[in-house]
Amino acid sequence: GENVEQHPSTLSVQEGDSAVIKCTYSDSASNYFPWYKQELGKRPQLIIDIRSNVGEKKDQRIAVTLNKTAKHFSLHITETQPEDSAVYFCAASSQTGANNLFFGTGTRLTVIP
Amino acid sequence: SQTIHQWPATLVQPVGSPLSLECTVEGTSNPNLYWYRQAAGRGLQLLFYSVGIGQISSEVPQNLSASRPQDRQFILSSKKLLLSDSGFYLCAWSDPSLAGETQYFGPGTRLLVL
Repeated sequence: GENVEQHPSTLSVQEGDSAVIKCTYSDSASNYFPWYKQELGKRPQLIIDIRSNVGEKKDQRIAVTLNKTAKHFSLHITETQPEDSAVYFCAASSQTGANNLFFGTGTRLTVIP
Repeated sequence: SQTIHQWPATLVQPVGSPLSLECTVEGTSNPNLYWYRQAAGRGLQLLFYSVGIGQISSEVPQNLSASRPQDRQFILSSKKLLLSDSGFYLCAWSDPSLAGETQYFGPGTRLLVL
């Protein structure tokens, strides 16, 4: 089955700096890669996703890149703000009948004011 | 628009007691449904998923079970809780008719087993 690895497990940045979180996956059939943000005590919420037919997608300060050959994808947050502090999860899906997502172990991002 | 509900929001139960957590989805038909558990400070562990009424797949062996008695209702149960069952239980849904596989999470149930 699919195995998703995520690094780093914790990340601290100064407000205004950029943050990058990286994930690798093992199943070359995976074709959908969402990113979730989970604030303390809350549910994970989708912030951006990318499909295997594109290499990059951007939404304001958030961007995701995908390298299918190397089987890795990354989340980039620019001009970080204190409200970006949360745990971020990457995931991969191989589009099975149940649309199962395989999650990374999470990155705790802290933005220091 | 679609909404997903879970209850109760929090629950404190003694070891050995039964458990029933409920999840319902509104605004969609025949969703795929999922139960996840998240231990404190940890990642998301898929427990069960369902592609239709009465169709349940289990991802990990445990003392929990799931049922889907109605199209948009998903129930997580246990006959006897263990201390290790403590955690944050999240229900999620996805639309199998779309090309995407996005899963949307409910608000969660925080369970503490004492």
